[in-house]
Amino acid sequence: KNQVEQSPQSLIILEGKNCTLQCNYTVSPFSNLRWYKQDTGRGPVSLTIMTFSENTKSNGRYTATLDADTKQSSLHITASQLSDSASYICVVSAYNTDKLIFGTGTRLQVFP
Amino acid sequence: KAGVTQTPRYLIKTRGQQVTLSCSPISGHRSVSWYQQTPGQGLQFLFEYFSETQRNKGNFPGRFSGRQFSNSRSEMNVSTLELGDSALYLCASSLYRGEDTGELFFGEGSRLTVL
Repeated sequence: KNQVEQSPQSLIILEGKNCTLQCNYTVSPFSNLRWYKQDTGRGPVSLTIMTFSENTKSNGRYTATLDADTKQSSLHITASQLSDSASYICVVSAYNTDKLIFGTGTRLQVFP
Repeated sequence: KAGVTQTPRYLIKTRGQQVTLSCSPISGHRSVSWYQQTPGQGLQFLFEYFSETQRNKGNFPGRFSGRQFSNSRSEMNVSTLELGDSALYLCASSLYRGEDTGELFFGEGSRLTVL
């Protein structure tokens, strides 16, 4: 069964600290993996899209990594800011199925 | 370039009523997909439309329906509302058909509360 699991479910860090969010998937055949940021009460916004051949992709202070062999991805946030407080959703696409499998997200809270 | 616009942003209904939500995609985007988001379940796929045709459908009862117009605007309808239908309904548009091929751009959502 195609599944996407994210950990931790929630995370609290202090402003300025780094953090790493995890995403494990069992989707096959794999097409691409996306990370979205969703502020409370708003729609998700795309951070990165990674295909099979990409190991690392950065978007400002956000860096996503992908290990297609172990079917794991991580999202690393550097020098966190209060505005990073949001839910981060990992989404995996199965090749040639036109379907996306969503993780339930990690809720990050950054405190001053 | 305007983003994805969803209306209304908030609405309150009572059990048994029906509701219609609207989504205007980014100009030039022909694919529109709908999602239900609840705190415990995360984002659940409802359906996807491309060129006025439903291309994919999630595992939701027939009370949930949608359509797409020739200008790519889309509506979704929920009939005979139940308490469990309370959720944030998100619409996303993409340039190409199929979620797999294009980056999704989400609207701000319509927050439905069923009393």
